[in-house]
Amino acid sequence: DAGVTQSPTHLIKTRGQQVTLRCSPKSGHDTVSWYQQALGQGPQFIFQYYEEEERQRGNFPDRFSGHQFPNYSSELNVNALLLGDSALYLCASSLTAGGSDTQYFGPGTRLTVL
Amino acid sequence: ELKVEQNPLFLSMQEGKNYTIYCNYSTTSDRLYWYRQDPGKSLESLFVLLSNGAVKQEGRLMASLDTKARLSTLHITAAVHDLSATYFCAVDYGGGADGLTFGKGTHLIIQP
Repeated sequence: DAGVTQSPTHLIKTRGQQVTLRCSPKSGHDTVSWYQQALGQGPQFIFQYYEEEERQRGNFPDRFSGHQFPNYSSELNVNALLLGDSALYLCASSLTAGGSDTQYFGPGTRLTVL
Repeated sequence: ELKVEQNPLFLSMQEGKNYTIYCNYSTTSDRLYWYRQDPGKSLESLFVLLSNGAVKQEGRLMASLDTKARLSTLHITAAVHDLSATYFCAVDYGGGADGLTFGKGTHLIIQP
């Protein structure tokens, strides 16, 4: 049973560029959430996707956008990268139908903005 | 504003000792999670606490939830070096249909 997978593992970009991160949820899960974790901090909620729509959003600017595909996989896009966007980006999957309990986290994508 | 506060933020302890990590949250919620994170790694789910008075135990770790006090505790019994990690509590304010609000984490070092 495959867990949550993310790609790429590491990424280096320069200021002003755009980046796309990808996530495949745990088998049987239908909901994907994205988090940003700065060094030494707890993860911060970016947004959550369910049924191919953004269901909830945290306090992040519109430069952060996402998408969910019919197979429940998801992408996170960040435009006009800033130095402060350097962080570990975590994807978590869960099951909404029937009641959602634990969110299972993927290994993360380490983004460095130079 | 939704807040989750953990204390202590840093803890150094010796093997064999007991200690408790505290997690306070600002607004009513019936769902609280504990996660473990090793350096450079992702988050591993430890416990899900879904109701007032819930207590769960796994090995040397025991978590409890008091929804009236808006307080959860993670108790470590007879600590061993392998438990060294950062521990996060997280609250689900959306009844499952929302993102989690995390505390800043407790960086735990257990020394021989």
